[in-house]
Amino acid sequence: DADVTQTPRNRITKTGKRIMLECSQTKGHDRMYWYRQDPGLGLRLIYYSFDVKDINKGEISDGYSVSRQAQAKFSLSLESAIPNQTALYFCATSDTGGAGGWYNEQFFGPGTRLTVL
Amino acid sequence: SQKIEQNSEALNIQEGKTATLTCNYTNYSPAYLQWYRQDPGRGPVFLLLIRENEKEKRKERLKVTFDTTLKQSLFHITASQPADSATYLCASADRGSTLGRLYFGRGTQLTVWP
Repeated sequence: DADVTQTPRNRITKTGKRIMLECSQTKGHDRMYWYRQDPGLGLRLIYYSFDVKDINKGEISDGYSVSRQAQAKFSLSLESAIPNQTALYFCATSDTGGAGGWYNEQFFGPGTRLTVL
Repeated sequence: SQKIEQNSEALNIQEGKTATLTCNYTNYSPAYLQWYRQDPGRGPVFLLLIRENEKEKRKERLKVTFDTTLKQSLFHITASQPADSATYLCASADRGSTLGRLYFGRGTQLTVWP
């Protein structure tokens, strides 16, 4: 079973609709992240959370909101979707402990392909 | 602002040759650099990490170097194979930034042809 799962994997919606993308992890990591990826622009950070009570804005948080329901769950919402939010969305996790300390690598989910018409 | 760049969008090489990908950074001093592999339609997968006090790191056919004078990291795949074809991303964080927050380059798409 995958350690980081995302639902849905694909979604087509219309402008103005509210959309929620969900992320669950079984790795036991405290840190979770939401990124979007656009051709030619690379991965850009939307929001990140270092524990259940901690939520931080990333580079491109406008038009998005998040909820950290539990250590294992981190949801991304688009309150009123617009076409330029069409992109590939990734959730990621990372550990805070271990030998690598805060250098630890990030583990990505399979992605959600969102199309806003 | 912090900037991390992968200057080559695409690299095409013949099987068996060494692929060398470049990552440059400006306006900050990374405490470390990470390299990821991403296949089409999938999430990035971590490959290697190199710290600022390390000159070189190896893992099987992979080698990463970190030159703080040139502000550059090189990622090498020796004896490349068609299965190495993918997009490779570098990522880093400023030692002064929020711990664990990474900045990613746009990636270099590597194609290894037989």
